[in-house]
Amino acid sequence: GQQVMQIPQYQHVQEGEDFTTYCNSSTTLSNIQWYKQRPGGHPVFLIQLVKSGEVKKQKRLTFQFGEAKKNSSLHITATQTTDVGTYFCAGGGTGNQFYFGTGTSLTVIP
Amino acid sequence: GAGVSQSPSNKVTEKGKDVELRCDPISGHTALYWYRQSLGQGLEFLIYFQGNSAPDKSGLPSDRFSAERTGGSVSTLTIQRTQQEDSAVYLCASSLGTSSYEQYFGPGTRLTVT
Repeated sequence: GQQVMQIPQYQHVQEGEDFTTYCNSSTTLSNIQWYKQRPGGHPVFLIQLVKSGEVKKQKRLTFQFGEAKKNSSLHITATQTTDVGTYFCAGGGTGNQFYFGTGTSLTVIP
Repeated sequence: GAGVSQSPSNKVTEKGKDVELRCDPISGHTALYWYRQSLGQGLEFLIYFQGNSAPDKSGLPSDRFSAERTGGSVSTLTIQRTQQEDSAVYLCASSLGTSSYEQYFGPGTRLTVT
């Protein structure tokens, strides 16, 4: 079946350092969404990418969708303590399902 | 307007009992998803409803799990003869339509099977 893997599983950074999480699918995706889940909270939508090679930015966050639409990345520049949480990618398949990645838990050390 | 709501927020049940979890999606959202999240893990897709179409049940882990959505709005996830491995947070999400739309998640129901 379809799988979406994320690396790394955990990342600890000093405040001000950059952070990147990578998402890889075994099959081509129709689109990809990114979500953030704060500790004890529920996932909150960040962004959606649809086009091959698409790049979108939200302030310090940069999202990329690979040319083959099988991988994606989220890069955070100059992390802040408010960035703490788990970041999930979710790939849209051929049906209506979303295949959530395994998540990357980010800890920011002040 | 109001977001997605779920009830109960916490449920402790004995092994072998049946439980019902409820989800109230955002008004007007035709799509509704159920996911399961074990401690420190990702989201496991369970079932998807879209309008009046037959639900996509491909993620249900066993025949002890079932879900229905009445009137295209409220949904109930039922787990029969609960097992300890069913312990998890059950999340419901709704969206405007198919997979091209963002999902809005509810706060979840934490199920503990003792």
